Amino acid sequence: NAGVMQNPRHLVRRRGQEARLRCSPMKGHSHVYWYRQLPEEGLKFMVYLQKENIIDESGMPKERFSAEFPKEGPSILRIQQVVRGDSAAYFCASSPPLAGAWNYIDEQFFGPGTRLTVL
Amino acid sequence: GIQVEQSPPDLILQEGANSTLRCNFSDSVNNLQWFHQNPWGQLINLFYIPSGTKQNGRLSATTVATERYSLLYISSSQTTDSGVYFCAVQDSNTGKLIFGQGTTLQVKP
Repeated sequence: NAGVMQNPRHLVRRRGQEARLRCSPMKGHSHVYWYRQLPEEGLKFMVYLQKENIIDESGMPKERFSAEFPKEGPSILRIQQVVRGDSAAYFCASSPPLAGAWNYIDEQFFGPGTRLTVL
Repeated sequence: GIQVEQSPPDLILQEGANSTLRCNFSDSVNNLQWFHQNPWGQLINLFYIPSGTKQNGRLSATTVATERYSLLYISSSQTTDSGVYFCAVQDSNTGKLIFGQGTTLQVKP
């Protein structure tokens, strides 16, 4: 069973360009989470998605950032008009469908991350 | 929101030594996970441990949910144990993980 896959692993963009980060969850997992890790810091939650639905985007910056998880294909984190402060490692995690009570959330498994560098 | 504090922030060990890393959290949680971020930046799942004790080789973890803390034990440390250890708790309402700032471990040969 392949793990969570992310690509590209490294991405270099110039200020003002767009960055598109892709995440394929583990087989059978229908929940996807995106986290950002700034240099020398811990990971911070950005957004939680299920197929075709954004469940929680409370950690997403209000402008320039968007995320989707279509019915077919990987989840995409899109950053428009990148700035130097967007340079970070972006991690995707997935978990299986909810089991039991509505607030029971299973273990999350992380991909290798995409290292974004904005020049 | 929930606060997660890890201690110590940095730890240097001689190969073969034992250590205990601590994670305190400020509110009740449904779940807690421990991760190892290796020098290449990859996050490795160590334990999924909402309560109780689990062991995996030289590593073990204990979570006392009622007292809002978890401990990660590393025995007979090896240089490959070096990296950053993160504790993360799940927000009961949304499922998102809230990470501590990590403990940076360096194991010297």
